[in-house]
Amino acid sequence: DIQMTQSPSTLSASVGDRVTITCRASQSISSWLAWYQQKPGKAPNLLIYKASSLESGVPSRFSGSGSGTEFTLTISSLQPDDFATYYCQQYKSYWTFGQGTKVEIK
Amino acid sequence: MQLLESGGGLVQPGGSLRLSCAASGFTFSSYAMSWVRQAPGKGLEWVSAISVSGGGTYYADSVKGRFTISRDNSKNTLYLQMSSLRAEDTAVYYCAKIYSVSSQFDYWGQGTLVTVSS
Repeated sequence: DIQMTQSPSTLSASVGDRVTITCRASQSISSWLAWYQQKPGKAPNLLIYKASSLESGVPSRFSGSGSGTEFTLTISSLQPDDFATYYCQQYKSYWTFGQGTKVEIK
Repeated sequence: MQLLESGGGLVQPGGSLRLSCAASGFTFSSYAMSWVRQAPGKGLEWVSAISVSGGGTYYADSVKGRFTISRDNSKNTLYLQMSSLRAEDTAVYYCAKIYSVSSQFDYWGQGTLVTVSS
C-alpha cells in the first residue's frame, strides 16, 4: 500500500502570506497526485490534479509541484476564504489520502 | 452536476445499512464512482470504488468482506451495502465521481452520517 504523509499538520498564517504544504509518498507515484480543500461541515473540493494542473474555477493563487515522492501545494497570497484543511491524494495505486493540513489564522 | 447521498443513520454494532447516492447533471453511466468516509474530527479515508459497468469493484482493507459497492446505471444511483458494522465505521460517507479511470475525484456529494453505537 502507498502511504501519504503531509507536513505540517497545522499551519498558522496571516492573510497575504505565502503558504506551502508538503506531501510525501512512501513510493514513487509519478505525477498521480491531487490536492483538495475542505471546510468544516462541507465536502472536499478538488484544487489540483496530476500534481500541477489547476482544476477549472480554482483561483490561480493555488499551485502544485513535484513528482515521484515529494509534492508541494503553494498558496501564493493567502486569502480569508483559504482558511481550511488541505489533503493530498495519490491515485497511482487505488487511492490514499494524506492526514491533512489545517491552515488557521495566525 | 449533483450527487445526493442518503440512507445514513444510527445502527447497532453488527448491524447493516445501505447507502445510496443519486446522481444528476452528468452521464452517470460513463464514470467510475467511489465512496470516501471521514470519521468525526478525522481525515479522509477511501472506502470503495466501482467501474463504469460495475464489473470491477475495489475496497480498502478496512472494509473488505463487509461492504459491497454496486450501481444501477438505469437509475443513476450508486450504492454501498454495509454489514457487520463496527464502532470504527462511524463516519460521514461521501460519494464521489472519478474523473477518468483511476484518477482524481472531481465531484463530491455532501455526505451522509453513519453512527454505529448501542
